[in-house]
Amino acid sequence: EIVLTQSPATLSLSPGERATLSCRASQSVGTYLAWYQQKPGQAPRLLIYDASNGATGIPARFSGSGSGTDFTLTISSLEPDDFAVYYCQQRGNWPLTFGGGTKVEIK
Amino acid sequence: EIQLVESGGGLVQPGGSLRLSCADSGFTFSSYEMNWVRQAPGKGLEWISYISTSGSTIYYADSVKGRFTISRDNAKKSLYLQMNSLRAEDTAVYYCARFNAWNWFWFDPRGQGTLVTVSS
Repeated sequence: EIVLTQSPATLSLSPGERATLSCRASQSVGTYLAWYQQKPGQAPRLLIYDASNGATGIPARFSGSGSGTDFTLTISSLEPDDFAVYYCQQRGNWPLTFGGGTKVEIK
Repeated sequence: EIQLVESGGGLVQPGGSLRLSCADSGFTFSSYEMNWVRQAPGKGLEWISYISTSGSTIYYADSVKGRFTISRDNAKKSLYLQMNSLRAEDTAVYYCARFNAWNWFWFDPRGQGTLVTVSS
């Protein structure tokens, strides 16, 4: 099973600041990695797929990079609506796995 | 309009069974590969099962293998999860999710999932 480790667990930032979230895989997943955003009481929403492709309707301030085992989600300038939990997920191998999540909270 | 509606959750004793359903109000359910993903209270996301469009290919997470059974009825546009031998650690909100065109999860943004609580 591929283990995804996200860091940091919590990121405390102010609106307008840049957020950088990390996801590290225990073995290579190529570019088969996605990022999801989840707000309290809501289902997750796909932000980035195949490591760097923005999903439909996702603002350009969200970007993804990386390949192999190291991936990054960057939010260039945090909007109030962006404070949420972010999960990475791989589909390089079964079973599909998620990272433990990074909570982006208002400082 | 909610497209994927989960139901069937509730309170069940350890060792008990439940059958979850996911009804798709769209027109192309039979074209989508489907999954169940769960989230324990205050915890992260866990994929637990996948089924292909025809039902011929199925995968499970080790945590539920041998206890849970995924199935689908394309005529009824519905996905199911039969859960047997339930344990306390199965307590979670259960979401159904499609694979989108790029084979990543699509969750209904208005979907609430269905809560399963395993407790005596």
